[in-house]
Amino acid sequence: LAKTTQPISMDSYEGQEVNITCSHNNIATNDYITWYQQFPSQGPRFIIQGYKTKVTNEVASLFIPADRKSSTLSLPRVSLSDTAVYYCLVGRFMDTGRRALTFGSGTRLQVQP
Amino acid sequence: DSGVTQTPKHLITATGQRVTLRCSPRSGDLSVYWYQQSLDQGLQFLIQYYNGEERAKGNILERFSAQQFPDLHSELNLSSLELGDSALYFCASSQTTGEQFFGPGTRLTVL
Repeated sequence: LAKTTQPISMDSYEGQEVNITCSHNNIATNDYITWYQQFPSQGPRFIIQGYKTKVTNEVASLFIPADRKSSTLSLPRVSLSDTAVYYCLVGRFMDTGRRALTFGSGTRLQVQP
Repeated sequence: DSGVTQTPKHLITATGQRVTLRCSPRSGDLSVYWYQQSLDQGLQFLIQYYNGEERAKGNILERFSAQQFPDLHSELNLSSLELGDSALYFCASSQTTGEQFFGPGTRLTVL
């Protein structure tokens, strides 16, 4: 399973774009990448998922280069409410039907006014 | 509200005791996952069930066990509790690959 590495923390200001990069050097062909957001004492919340290239939804974009050894979560124009921990997750759906899951250590994003 | 429910919300017990945490997945979700999150730590995957069968195992201690019942709810049993087992325990559910919906968690305190 691909181990993931993320920065421990990041700081930003309201209105700025924030990019959080996750390294997963040993990602396999049938692995996918998912990002979650977690507020204190709450369960994580799904943000975005992708396999390759670029994925965009109403809250974020996910950039995955051709070699897929890393991925970048992009949060446009952050606000104070985006202060949270962001997790990069590499998952694999295996041919036996089992799914193996690996969470990164999380990046603590602090947004300042 | 994710649609995943967990009970109890808080649990305080003593070392050596046994507790059961309960999770009801979203309607239609066949997969249930259990995670442990110690204070200021990341999420540690414990175990996954799919339609009653164990599908994946993570860093789950032998003192811990889980099962998923025919109505798809799941229970996580923690026995011979130690101080270090104090943590937030999250349950998540999903339909197939991809997005997992997390419950609000059960905060376990072992004294």
